[in-house]
Amino acid sequence: GAGVSQTPSNKVTEKGKYVELRCDPISGHTALYWYRQSLGQGPEFLIYFQGTGAADDSGLPNDRFFAVRPEGSVSTLKIQRTERGDSAVYLCASSPGLRWNEQFFGPGTRLTVL
Amino acid sequence: SQELEQSPQSLIVQEGKNLTINCTSSKTLYGLYWYKQKYGEGLIFLMMLQKGGEEKSHEKITAKLDEKKQQSSLHITASQPSHAGIYLCGADMDSNYQLIWGAGTKLIIKP
Repeated sequence: GAGVSQTPSNKVTEKGKYVELRCDPISGHTALYWYRQSLGQGPEFLIYFQGTGAADDSGLPNDRFFAVRPEGSVSTLKIQRTERGDSAVYLCASSPGLRWNEQFFGPGTRLTVL
Repeated sequence: SQELEQSPQSLIVQEGKNLTINCTSSKTLYGLYWYKQKYGEGLIFLMMLQKGGEEKSHEKITAKLDEKKQQSSLHITASQPSHAGIYLCGADMDSNYQLIWGAGTKLIIKP
């Protein structure tokens, strides 16, 4: 049984570039979450999906950030015009439902914007 | 997040000793989750608490949620090197399904 996977594990990009981060959730999990974690901090909520739709995107910091989950499985977090402040570990988690379910986390993608 | 305070920020404990980590909220918690994180890895689920006064144990780790559902503690008995890592509490506060997270407690076990 595969867990949540995220690719790439590391991404180094230059300021102003566009990046895509991918998350493969556990098969059958309807809920998918994106978080961002800076050094020495807990995860910061970005967005979650229930199925294909973004049920809550209130954590996205600005309109440079966008996420999709077109078939209700794999999700892609897209960041346009990256800034140095976007550097962080981006974590994805999935769960069988929205509440009272353990969230299963992937290993994260470490994004560095130079 | 300042909505969820974890203490201590870091902890160095002699192997074999007991320890407690706390997670405190100013709001009533709908659910409280404890996770462990090792460097470069994702978060590993430990326990989830929902009811006031609830207590759960797994191996040498016990988590409790107080009656008011505003504070949780994680207690490790007879600590081992495998317990080292960062312990994070996450809380469902506003019933909007977001989890708010504490900043984490870094635990080091001295052999």
